[in-house]
Parts: sequence; C-alpha cells; structure tokens
Amino acid sequence: DAGVTQSPTHLIKTRGQQVTLRCSPKSGHDTVSWYQQALGQGPQFIFQYYEEEERQRGNFPDRFSGHQFPNYSSELNVNALWLGDSALYLCASSPDQGVRPLWGYTFGSGTRLTVV
Amino acid sequence: AQSVSQHNHHVILSEAASLELGCNYSYGGTVNLFWYVQYPGQHLQLLLKYFSGDPLVKGIKGFEAEFIKSKFSFNLRKPSVQWSDTAEYFCAVNARGYGGSQGNLIFGKGTKLSVKP
Repeated sequence: DAGVTQSPTHLIKTRGQQVTLRCSPKSGHDTVSWYQQALGQGPQFIFQYYEEEERQRGNFPDRFSGHQFPNYSSELNVNALWLGDSALYLCASSPDQGVRPLWGYTFGSGTRLTVV
Repeated sequence: AQSVSQHNHHVILSEAASLELGCNYSYGGTVNLFWYVQYPGQHLQLLLKYFSGDPLVKGIKGFEAEFIKSKFSFNLRKPSVQWSDTAEYFCAVNARGYGGSQGNLIFGKGTKLSVKP
C-alpha cells in the first residue's frame, strides 16, 4: 500500500479533450506534488501544492493546472490534450518540511493517460 | 539548469553478482540526494537518501550509496543482487534553498536492472 491514492488508474482520451486526475495524500501529509513520467524517462516535476496554493511550478504550459482542497487532496487538470501528453502521472505527498531538508516524497502508483 | 545523469540504461546481472549504478548531477550548491526503486507494476519507493554527514549511506534491502562531492556523484551499490532486485532505479536530486527547502525532485532517466536467476 503506497499510502497515496490516485484515480483513475488508466484513462484514454481524445486529442483536444480535457482530463482531471485525482490524488489523496498519505495520512499526515499536507504537501502534494505532481510529476509526469513519459515512457522511458524519469518523472518530471509539474507543480507542487501547499495550503491550497501552487507553491512551485516546473516547465509545463498553462494547459496544466491544479487544485488542492482543504483536506489536502489534489487534482491535476490538463486542457486541450496532445498526443504528447500520454504518460504516467504521479502524485507525491510529504509533510511540510519548513526549513529542514526534504525527507523525500511518498509516491502513488500513478494514472496512465493515453491520448489518441 | 540542474540535471541528473544515469549512465546505464539497462544492466543485466546474474544472481550474486555485485551491482553499481552510476549517478551524476549538475548543481554547484547544497543538494539532497535520493535513490528510488520502481518494481514492475508498483509505485516508486525510496531506497535511501543523503542530506549531510557520512557520505556512505545505507538504505533498505542491502543497498548503499556513496556521495562524492568532488565528482558530483551518488552511485548506488549492492554487494550481491537477487532476482527480486529486478526493477528500475532512479537517482534524484533536490537542490536545497531552491525555492525554500521544498524544492522539487529532479530525476535521472532511470536504469533498468534485470537479474537472471
């Protein structure tokens, strides 16, 4: 059990459509990050949410947006899907570290998105 | 920009062989270093991490890694691999003080390890 729950596990969408992916963090964690893992690549950071706000963002276009709810769960939205958006989308949670070193994230099993 | 390089794309070993997976990063400041493992069909799991102190860190399942600051390297080692170690291994870096201490992880492309029984 990863402790981080993502849904759905698999999804097929058509180019131009919009998609919403969901994540419930591990109990006790209040920070949620999203990563995109293309086939044969390592995960790439999309953004991080803390206290319901986007705290940091990677090099992804505005088509990628997110939200964090008061219960710390999070959504990732992707608009105007491209074929290149096909990937495994990972959610990772951690407790807020403050000024201490990052202790590492707990990752979910991911949502496999296929754009056709 | 920060980057992480993993030298080997696919490593094939027989059981009981020794393992060393290379990882180099590019960042001149203070870093936190991680190795994650992804078993087939499973989520990423933390193997070990380095923040400071003894540059030789021990992780779960008999893995260890050595941080060599002068070489910007953090290689993963295991003296004797088992068939159950078959998985993909990812090195990751977090640059401290980069947007606070909560900075994102930068991953390498991963090394697939296949262990023959």
